[in-house]
Amino acid sequence: GNSVTQMEGPVTLSEEAFLTINCTYTATGYPSLFWYVQYPGEGLQLLLKATKADDKGSNKGFEATYRKETTSFHLEKGSVQVSDSAVYFCALMPRGGGSNYKLTFGKGTLLTVNP
Amino acid sequence: DADVTQTPRNRITKTGKRIMLECSQTKGHDRMYWYRQDPGLGLRLIYYSFDVKDINKGEISDGYSVSRQAQAKFSLSLESAIPNQTALYFCATSDSARTGGRIHEQFFGPGTRLTVL
Repeated sequence: GNSVTQMEGPVTLSEEAFLTINCTYTATGYPSLFWYVQYPGEGLQLLLKATKADDKGSNKGFEATYRKETTSFHLEKGSVQVSDSAVYFCALMPRGGGSNYKLTFGKGTLLTVNP
Repeated sequence: DADVTQTPRNRITKTGKRIMLECSQTKGHDRMYWYRQDPGLGLRLIYYSFDVKDINKGEISDGYSVSRQAQAKFSLSLESAIPNQTALYFCATSDSARTGGRIHEQFFGPGTRLTVL
């Protein structure tokens, strides 16, 4: 079956530090890949996405590249801010249509950024 | 903006009680989902509905039921609540019209925190 593995947290960084949150996946074929972010007390929001190998998703200074050869989709940001403190979820959606259009999530990584 | 709303936002109940969580959306999407979130476990899919007449079990449907009363409304019921159903519950929607290889982005509500004593 499909699965997503992301690095366990919590991750604590100082403001302006470099962020990497690792994500690897197992799926048949070439799924679409996502990063969702959950700010305290809120629901999940789509942060970025990629649909095919070598695609780079980017938003709000965050980036992730779809690496087919390593089945990875690591999230990076060059300089984090206190406002980036949140839980980050990696997710996949398989291709194929019909009932396959369901997201599979990783367990989430809590990021805390200190001033 | 509150495109996906959930009621109630918080609920405390006792073991054995029947509970209904409601979800409404103004996005005009045809697909709706219920997830539960537990610390360290991420989000797990309970039920999903691709249109009003199509309802499917997710990975953890035991102990839950759903009703799709209209395209915009999708309710989750716990027939007889038990303590291990204490969790944060999220409703989500997506639009199947974005087909042809495009991504079915899901939009989430703010969540309902349910505590079963």
